[in-house]
Amino acid sequence: QVQLQESGPGLVKPPETLSLTCLVSGASVNNDYWAWIRQPAGKGLEWIGRIYSSGTINYNIFLKSRVTMSLDTSKNQVTLNLTSVTDADTAVYFCARGRSLYGLEVWGPGTMVTVS
Amino acid sequence: QSVLTQPPSESGAPGQRVTIFCSGNTSNIGPNYVYWYQQLPGTAPKLLIYKNNQRPSGVPDRFSGSKSGTSASLAISGLRSEDDADYYCAAWDDSLSGRVFGGGTKLTVL
Repeated sequence: QVQLQESGPGLVKPPETLSLTCLVSGASVNNDYWAWIRQPAGKGLEWIGRIYSSGTINYNIFLKSRVTMSLDTSKNQVTLNLTSVTDADTAVYFCARGRSLYGLEVWGPGTMVTVS
Repeated sequence: QSVLTQPPSESGAPGQRVTIFCSGNTSNIGPNYVYWYQQLPGTAPKLLIYKNNQRPSGVPDRFSGSKSGTSASLAISGLRSEDDADYYCAAWDDSLSGRVFGGGTKLTVL
């Protein structure tokens, strides 16, 4: 059974860098692709980007200048870095596993990040 | 403002059928597959429909998806109290080179 668990600092000061990790169990980050999605309180979902095991990366064009995603195969985890954060980056951040054309099949429970 | 447009709310009585619509354009829904996600309060989204109308294992056949042109819909028949949730459509957008979500529809089971 594939499980994802996000973790991070919880509180970040502007304009520092937000760093999150997504620990993957029951699957290898060497397969499929891994995405980050965020959701401000009471609002909808925003796709941040995805990284394939091949190394191909797609970022939300509105966040592209501030986002970096990577895979750590030794720890079987996915990382997200978001630089120069502002209040607008306060949200619950989810990681998810996707397979091409099959959508985001497995999601982590999410981790709340407050920028203040 | 979301790229894909959904009504903010829908409602229905138990046992009824409800349809949630999702409107896009020729860059997203038109040429690409549509996905639907269900989000229960305080939980992560769950994949409900993929490739326009396919259900992952474990999703009841009360849920069905369809697509026509630049619009898509999610139909829920035999409404149950546990269907009370937020529903999001999603698709790849060729112009943005990224996945886009609808703003979400809050379904209330009366």
